[in-house]
Amino acid sequence: AQSVTQLGSHVSVSEGALVLLRCNYSSSVPPYLFWYVQYPNQGLQLLLKYTTGATLVKGINGFEAEFKKSETSFHLTKPSAHMSDAAEYFCAVSQRDDKIIFGKGTRLHILP
Amino acid sequence: GAVVSQHPSRVICKSGTSVKIECRSLDFQATTMFWYRQFPKQSLMLMATSNEGSKATYEQGVEKDKFLINHASLTLSTLTVTSAHPEDSSFYICSANLYRPSYNEQFFGPGTRLTVL
Repeated sequence: AQSVTQLGSHVSVSEGALVLLRCNYSSSVPPYLFWYVQYPNQGLQLLLKYTTGATLVKGINGFEAEFKKSETSFHLTKPSAHMSDAAEYFCAVSQRDDKIIFGKGTRLHILP
Repeated sequence: GAVVSQHPSRVICKSGTSVKIECRSLDFQATTMFWYRQFPKQSLMLMATSNEGSKATYEQGVEKDKFLINHASLTLSTLTVTSAHPEDSSFYICSANLYRPSYNEQFFGPGTRLTVL
């Protein structure tokens, strides 16, 4: 069975500071990994995904994530936080059956 | 490209009535669509997998007679909440699968906020 654990339901960073959102996964086969962002009362927007190949994945809005198989992690980072980054972020995992399993989410707060 | 729409975006209904939510893939065909439910400040929980031309596959604990899913065409799936009650109030999100040679990507709709009075 697959599962995703996001460490920290709330993360606060100052504007301009590094953003680090942590995600660990469990999967019996090589996983596909995703980060999604959700703004209030909206659907999900894909930030980035890892399927195969290069383990450092670059996404939209300056975000990137690194797949570390040895640590079963897929942490999301952004060098410099912007006020518009305040949102809910979901890490997710899927396998070949296309079902996506979501983590519980991390709300990112940006402090002025 | 790869846009998924949902209608309505918001619906308020009385307890005991049925509500239908539509999910459409606007610019691609989707053999498979998914329905999720999201409670306030919580994650998305997969309710069912909707396959065009066949019965939906429901996740454990989801009442199939309560949440009727119809995937009648390659661009439309509907979720009907039958005899809705206040505990069915939630944010319902659908996604549609776009098949690619490398892997299949899901595109999400904007969600439907259901409030049952």
